[in-house]
Amino acid sequence: QKEVEQDPGPLSVPEGAIVSLNCTYSNSAFQYFMWYRQYSRKGPELLMYTYSSGNKEDGRFTAQVDKSSKYISLFIRDSQPSDSATYLCAMGTGGGNKLTFGTGTQLKVEL
Amino acid sequence: GAVVSQHPSWVICKSGTSVKIECRSLDFQATTMFWYRQFPKQSLMLMATSNEGSKATYEQGVEKDKFLINHASLTLSTLTVTSAHPEDSSFYICSARVEGNNYGYTFGSGTRLTVV
Repeated sequence: QKEVEQDPGPLSVPEGAIVSLNCTYSNSAFQYFMWYRQYSRKGPELLMYTYSSGNKEDGRFTAQVDKSSKYISLFIRDSQPSDSATYLCAMGTGGGNKLTFGTGTQLKVEL
Repeated sequence: GAVVSQHPSWVICKSGTSVKIECRSLDFQATTMFWYRQFPKQSLMLMATSNEGSKATYEQGVEKDKFLINHASLTLSTLTVTSAHPEDSSFYICSARVEGNNYGYTFGSGTRLTVV
């Protein structure tokens, strides 16, 4: 079993739809949770981050963490074609330690 | 702030030659940098953690003699792929962490290596 599981997709949605992306994990030591967006042949860019359990909202993006279920989500409202990318969840234990990534979900938002 | 520059963005080399990839933190000092490898439609696989002034820590299964990492200053880490083979063709990405920021993992733009 992988330490972080993420459905690779691809996920195709119409413009304006609400997108739900999810990851599950097995390591209870993870405290820091991040979502990265990666466009083709580019490095990942940090989109959202949360510490421990809870919700965080930033514009059209909402990140949720449920540590009791070891489950994290990223919601994208009013999705746009420019949101088409691969979304990677990442987790860490803090203290400058390495991040563990999910496989990434490929999202395509169609006109 | 917190920009990481990676160079080159792509490189083609012949089998048996060595290739050096540079990763620079432009506006901050990075005690720790990370090197990843990514295959098409797959996630980032951590190869090694690079620590300024000391030896890199390699992940299990990564050949340290093949993937040489040097972190000689607080703003520069290099990855040298030695005696490259076609199976080394991949997308290599570096990341640097902003000190004191548990979320501050900034990534370079990646290097596409093709070995022919």
